[in-house]
Amino acid sequence: KAGVTQTPRYLIKTRGQQVTLSCSPISGHRSVSWYQQTPGQGLQFLFEYFSETQRNKGNFPGRFSGRQFSNSRSEMNVSTLELGDSALYLCASSLSGQWNTEAFFGQGTRLTVV
Amino acid sequence: GDSVTQMEGPVTLSEEAFLTINCTYTATGYPSLFWYVQYPGEGLQLLLKATKADDKGSNKGFEATYRKETTSFHLEKGSVQVSDSAVYFCALSDPGGATNKLIFGTGTLLAVQP
Repeated sequence: KAGVTQTPRYLIKTRGQQVTLSCSPISGHRSVSWYQQTPGQGLQFLFEYFSETQRNKGNFPGRFSGRQFSNSRSEMNVSTLELGDSALYLCASSLSGQWNTEAFFGQGTRLTVV
Repeated sequence: GDSVTQMEGPVTLSEEAFLTINCTYTATGYPSLFWYVQYPGEGLQLLLKATKADDKGSNKGFEATYRKETTSFHLEKGSVQVSDSAVYFCALSDPGGATNKLIFGTGTLLAVQP
């Protein structure tokens, strides 16, 4: 069974640009969550989608957005990139999205903003 | 709000030593508790979980017991190996909402020397 696939693995962007990251969850999983990992702030929750609906959102500016498609694949977008957006972005998928369900993580997309 | 506090790292041990990584939490209600492990360059993998008080999660020689009275979920292993070197994250899932948002601790780097 294929795991969670995130593309691309590495990305270098310039300040002010925008970027789109992609996540393909495990087949049959309907919940996709996104996290930002940085050395200073650790792992922070960005948002969660379930059946194409955003169910929860973390404390990030509106420059961070996402969506989920009918096949459960998800994308997140960051507009007007800032140096501080450099981070590892992790996607996690869950079968049902209930609070005690195991989350399976992808390997992440390493975004560097220069 | 809900939070997770982990002991500061790095933790440096010799092979076959006993491991304890402390984790305490603050939450309303009864969260599920998790330990995730992150190897260099990889995403997070679930190591073990416990969903109610006094539950013991175990996997690959690691154990942790959900202690409601002390709001703790300490990770232990009787004999560590070099291959256990990684970053360990304690996390909780908030049962208050209909989502599986995870709240993570800051992570503890474990380095095991041969």
